[in-house]
Amino acid sequence: AAGVIQSPRHLIKEKRETATLKCYPIPRHDTVYWYQQGPGQDPQFLISFYEKMQSDKGSIPDRFSAQQFSDYHSELNMSSLELGDSALYFCASRTGGGPGELFFGEGSRLTVL
Amino acid sequence: AQSVTQLGSHVSVSEGALVLLRCNYSSSVPPYLFWYVQYPNQGLQLLLKYTTGATLVKGINGFEAEFKKSETSFHLTKPSAHMSDAAEYFCAVSWRWSGGSNYKLTFGKGTLLTVNP
Repeated sequence: AAGVIQSPRHLIKEKRETATLKCYPIPRHDTVYWYQQGPGQDPQFLISFYEKMQSDKGSIPDRFSAQQFSDYHSELNMSSLELGDSALYFCASRTGGGPGELFFGEGSRLTVL
Repeated sequence: AQSVTQLGSHVSVSEGALVLLRCNYSSSVPPYLFWYVQYPNQGLQLLLKYTTGATLVKGINGFEAEFKKSETSFHLTKPSAHMSDAAEYFCAVSWRWSGGSNYKLTFGKGTLLTVNP
């Protein structure tokens, strides 16, 4: 069965650079969530989209932005990267309308040097 | 504020022993409850969930959990641990977002389960 696809899986950037992470949800899933998991930490909610509109916002820095496109894939853009942005970034998807399971991708590991 | 607490950041059991991972939540409205497992350098996989109905829910790999409203708990158990159960386990809750349907997950801090031979 198709799963959530995230790219790239690994990314190394320098401080103050920019990075873009991509997420391709499971087909027919209309809701996408982004989470950030620091080393040894629990996943922290960043932002979510439902039907291409932002549906909720969590602890996402102003340096980060995200959107969901017409084909439902989503991109997380991160600018002016800081050392503290080094983390595993997860995308999850689900179908809207009820408390269903979130399906997580394998994550994108960002390392900021 | 609504939150979820996992008691014990690290639990160690012997192979074949009972696994008990504790999760408590605080909420003014009934939550939806989940347990996820994360193996090293991998994504999160759903073990089981409670939304409505039967309070004892069974999941994959022999795990089960019971929703106890009076105790605001959703502890995860498995009768007999296997070496392959060694992983990080996260309890998560969601609540309906006012004004729409969001159901974002809020995670506990996680419990690292080690299984000794």
